[in-house]
Amino acid sequence: DTAVSQTPKYLVTQMGNDKSIKCEQNLGHDTMYWYKQDSKKFLKIMFSYNNKELIINETVPNRFSPKSPDKAHLNLHINSLELGDSAVYFCASSLRTAPYEQYFGPGTRLTVT
Amino acid sequence: GDSVTQMEGPVTLSEEAFLTINCTYTATGYPSLFWYVQYPGEGLQLLLKATKADDKGSNKGFEATYRKETTSFHLEKGSVQVSDSAVYFCALKPPNFGNEKLTFGTGTRLTIIP
Repeated sequence: DTAVSQTPKYLVTQMGNDKSIKCEQNLGHDTMYWYKQDSKKFLKIMFSYNNKELIINETVPNRFSPKSPDKAHLNLHINSLELGDSAVYFCASSLRTAPYEQYFGPGTRLTVT
Repeated sequence: GDSVTQMEGPVTLSEEAFLTINCTYTATGYPSLFWYVQYPGEGLQLLLKATKADDKGSNKGFEATYRKETTSFHLEKGSVQVSDSAVYFCALKPPNFGNEKLTFGTGTRLTIIP
């Protein structure tokens, strides 16, 4: 009965490669998010989708491209990976109405060598 | 813009000690306020929340009160356990509909020693 799941949990790759992270939620939420957590544990939102529509797009390099095929799925594709992309990426979901609680996935630890 | 300031960590306490982790915010209007907890190797879990002034959120022995006059949402627990060791994040969501962005504090690492 996993609520928000992400795959893979760990991703080790070389600079210049392209990789994808997948996220799925079974909570019936209409809004999904991608967050990046750096090595100091600082969390910053990257993107958000509501019913497949992009509603938040922070200042993120355009090598990062989110895609939402339906409201239960949100994927993140990263082109030309760089060392600075190493981080933990969290997916989250919520309803777009009160109480606005966001539920987080377990995270994907990306290491770029 | 909106911001959240948390006390610097790490915080180390003995079991059964009293815990306070300070959180203050800057935002217009009445944001919703949250505390999230991240256990080692896991994602964030919502610990408690408050959506209007003077609301008290509580869960698992933790409490926080939404203080508009001091723009604060400090986390407290009367008697901590080793299992409370984790990173704690304070966060806010702006009041306006259509702005779902959560702004997080920098996190406070808490270690409880037996």
